[in-house]
Amino acid sequence: AQSVSQHNHHVILSEAASLELGCNYSYGGTVNLFWYVQYPGQHLQLLLKYFSGDPLVKGIKGFEAEFIKSKFSFNLRKPSVQWSDTAEYFCAVNARTGANNLFFGTGTRLTVIP
Amino acid sequence: ETGVTQTPRHLVMGMTNKKSLKCEQHLGHNAMYWYKQSAKKPLELMFVYNFKEQTENNSVPSRFSPECPNSSHLFLHLHTLQPEDSALYLCASSQHTDRTAEAFFGQGTRLTVV
Repeated sequence: AQSVSQHNHHVILSEAASLELGCNYSYGGTVNLFWYVQYPGQHLQLLLKYFSGDPLVKGIKGFEAEFIKSKFSFNLRKPSVQWSDTAEYFCAVNARTGANNLFFGTGTRLTVIP
Repeated sequence: ETGVTQTPRHLVMGMTNKKSLKCEQHLGHNAMYWYKQSAKKPLELMFVYNFKEQTENNSVPSRFSPECPNSSHLFLHLHTLQPEDSALYLCASSQHTDRTAEAFFGQGTRLTVV
């Protein structure tokens, strides 16, 4: 079965700082990769996803993520964070074939200080 | 509003009680999921239904019993729960036929077992 690791549990940044959140997955086959975000008091929503093509994908609100197959990684980045980016960020993976199960990491809580 | 509605939003129940969580989506999706979200743990995939058929039971104790009467509704029946079952229970839906499709989440039911 797939698993997802997010090593940063809580990240605190000042506004305008650059962000990189780590995500590693374990699975022997081909996967689709996702980042979801949960703003305080709101539901989980999709930030961006990768399934094929350019390994550098761009999402909403200036976020991007790079799929590095050799490292089984899909790190999330943003060059300059804003206070409104304060939220919890979840990396997720599902397999291209077999059971259609979406597996999530533990999440990283981002706090941006104005 | 994501199109996925969960009721109730909050539930407090005793260990001998029987209660049910409800999830409803009118997005035309054919896959529905139950997840458990506990502090400092990954979102735990509990059950997956594709076209009303249960396709995944992720080693969930029998005190949790899912029901999917149609593609739009998903229930989670609870009985004789333990305090460690206290968590946020999330419902999600997606298009089973498209692994790259976004999963839409409800806002969850905050369950407290006393």
